[in-house]
Amino acid sequence: AQSVTQPDIHITVSEGASLELRCNYSYGATPYLFWYVQSPGQGLQLLLKYFSGDTLVQGIKGFEAEFKRSQSSFNLRKPSVHWSDAAEYFCAVGAAGGSYIPTFGRGTSLIVHP
Amino acid sequence: GAGVSQSPRYKVAKRGQDVALRCDPISGHVSLFWYQQALGQGPEFLTYFQNEAQLDKSGLPSDRFFAERPEGSVSTLKIQRTQQEDSAVYLCASSRRDSNEKLFFGSGTQLSVL
Repeated sequence: AQSVTQPDIHITVSEGASLELRCNYSYGATPYLFWYVQSPGQGLQLLLKYFSGDTLVQGIKGFEAEFKRSQSSFNLRKPSVHWSDAAEYFCAVGAAGGSYIPTFGRGTSLIVHP
Repeated sequence: GAGVSQSPRYKVAKRGQDVALRCDPISGHVSLFWYQQALGQGPEFLTYFQNEAQLDKSGLPSDRFFAERPEGSVSTLKIQRTQQEDSAVYLCASSRRDSNEKLFFGSGTQLSVL
């Protein structure tokens, strides 16, 4: 069974600073990887996904993530954070091929200081 | 519709009461998921439908939980004899084809069992 670890419960950054949120996954074969964002009172919104190909994936709102198979990681990055990026971020992993059920990490809460 | 709609937005139940939570997926979406999100945690999988077929219900925590999607569109999650540990946000998500795609989430139903 697949699993996801997001080691940081909270991350605090200043507006304009760079951001990296960590995600490690466990899965025996080729994973499908996702980052979702959840603002207060809102549903989860997909930021980006990795299925195959280029290991550096570009997403919405200026986010990117890099798949590193050797490290079983899929860290989310943004070069310059905006106050509106404050939210909960969830990494998820699924199985490649056929139907699968996305498994989510516990999330990282991003706090942005002005 | 424009997005995934869930109702009610909030539900307060007395312990032992039965509740029914509704999900209206995006029109034409084949796959439908239910997740449970406890406070401060990531979404935990409950069950998955492809059209009207419930393909996976391995995440349902007990036989008090029941989900249906009789016509392959609207889905209902029913919890019988609610317990305090059932208090959580229940999220519904849908996707166009099989589950190897972007999930569109509703805003959830926050269930509080007193």
